[in-house]
Amino acid sequence: GAGVSQSPSNKVTEKGKDVELRCDPISGHTALYWYRQSLGQGLEFLIYFQGNSAPDKSGLPSDRFSAERTGGSVSTLTIQRTQQEDSAVYLCASSLGGTTGELFFGEGSRLTVL
Amino acid sequence: DQQVKQNSPSLSVQEGRISILNCDYTNSMFDYFLWYKKYPAEGPTFLISISSIKDKNEDGRFTVFLNKSAKHLSLHIVPSQPGDSAVYFCAAMRGNTGKLIFGQGTTLQVKP
Repeated sequence: GAGVSQSPSNKVTEKGKDVELRCDPISGHTALYWYRQSLGQGLEFLIYFQGNSAPDKSGLPSDRFSAERTGGSVSTLTIQRTQQEDSAVYLCASSLGGTTGELFFGEGSRLTVL
Repeated sequence: DQQVKQNSPSLSVQEGRISILNCDYTNSMFDYFLWYKKYPAEGPTFLISISSIKDKNEDGRFTVFLNKSAKHLSLHIVPSQPGDSAVYFCAAMRGNTGKLIFGQGTTLQVKP
């Protein structure tokens, strides 16, 4: 499809395990974002990639979280040694970059840590 | 440090009436503001935006007002329709950073 694609849509894991969440942005979009929404909370900024610039990692909550963007396209968000408080919907978005702020979101990956 | 705040978690209005959703921000460096709409199990979708050089932007039934001195913006929906029932997020951006900071969201219910 032409939209932002995220996988898996649902992931249930045990505390302490590592998880990887994948995002395929819209083709041609230079900017890619990860946000998360915990139950009853707003959208929390995690990380932002823009072209070849160093990513803005200021929102990552701990060093257990990391993200990569390979070839300026697909991105993977990795959470190591998951904790129950990591349970949330992880949303990826992409945009053409610039200053319009119009992000196109995927449907999210729902992570449940037991 | 919540830089963008939506203090009303929910709002209920009658179909055909006006819906007013409010948002406050603390960072005076923000110069671009947006509203997103989110249905359950879907990602947020862009609704309307406003630059800090304006105080109003209108698109059909949706109007966003910006009061820079009060660091406050609002989204007006007139007339409200049941299909407008969703969670509305306010977001702000500073300059050309491209980084959007979102509020907590307000759940709007429009009753037929």
